[in-house]
Amino acid sequence: QVQLVQSGSELEKPGASVKVSCKASGYTFTRYSMNWVRQAPGQGLQWMGWINTNTGNPTYAQGFTGRFVFSLDTSVNTAYLQISSLKAEDTAVYYCARELKWLDYWGQGTLVTVSS
Amino acid sequence: QSALTQPPSASGSPGQSVTISCTGTSSDVGGYNYVSWYQQDPGKAPKLLIYEVSKRPSGVPDRFSGSKSGNTASLTVSGLQAEDEADYYCSSYVGGNNVVFGGGTKLTVL
Repeated sequence: QVQLVQSGSELEKPGASVKVSCKASGYTFTRYSMNWVRQAPGQGLQWMGWINTNTGNPTYAQGFTGRFVFSLDTSVNTAYLQISSLKAEDTAVYYCARELKWLDYWGQGTLVTVSS
Repeated sequence: QSALTQPPSASGSPGQSVTISCTGTSSDVGGYNYVSWYQQDPGKAPKLLIYEVSKRPSGVPDRFSGSKSGNTASLTVSGLQAEDEADYYCSSYVGGNNVVFGGGTKLTVL
């Protein structure tokens, strides 16, 4: 069965960096794109962008350029989201989700808390 | 790309039907048949309910149905059950390999 398993919660100070992982299983990793979605506390879903798991080419949504980097390690079927120069407003749950035109499988989410 | 517009809340009694709207533009909802709907229980990851406007993934009850007219998509929940109380989000492909979500609707079962 398809599973996306994300890394655990992170507590970071402002200005630091964090890297969230999303390990896929149950399907051919390179056949489906991987998306990232942010959900701030008490807020709705915000699409951050996606990465082509075949070519490694990322696409970032408006508002998620510069400090956000999507990457892959296809040898271990894992996608990564790295956020640098963390700010308090980056505090959120970050989800990975498969496909693009619709998101059919989701990871369980990773809570990133930015606090001094 | 602006978020799609959903009512913040909706409600209905058990057994009733409730419809949640999702309004966009001709550049998103109206321009593509790639509207999807997600159900999110508190503290959980979203779950795909509807894709390509009206298709249901395996395992989703047929009480959930989707439709679209012009720039507005709709999710109808028939035979409302207590377990349907959740947040619901619509999403649309907007071309150029981009996606946009609605603001979400909190469904309360009275």
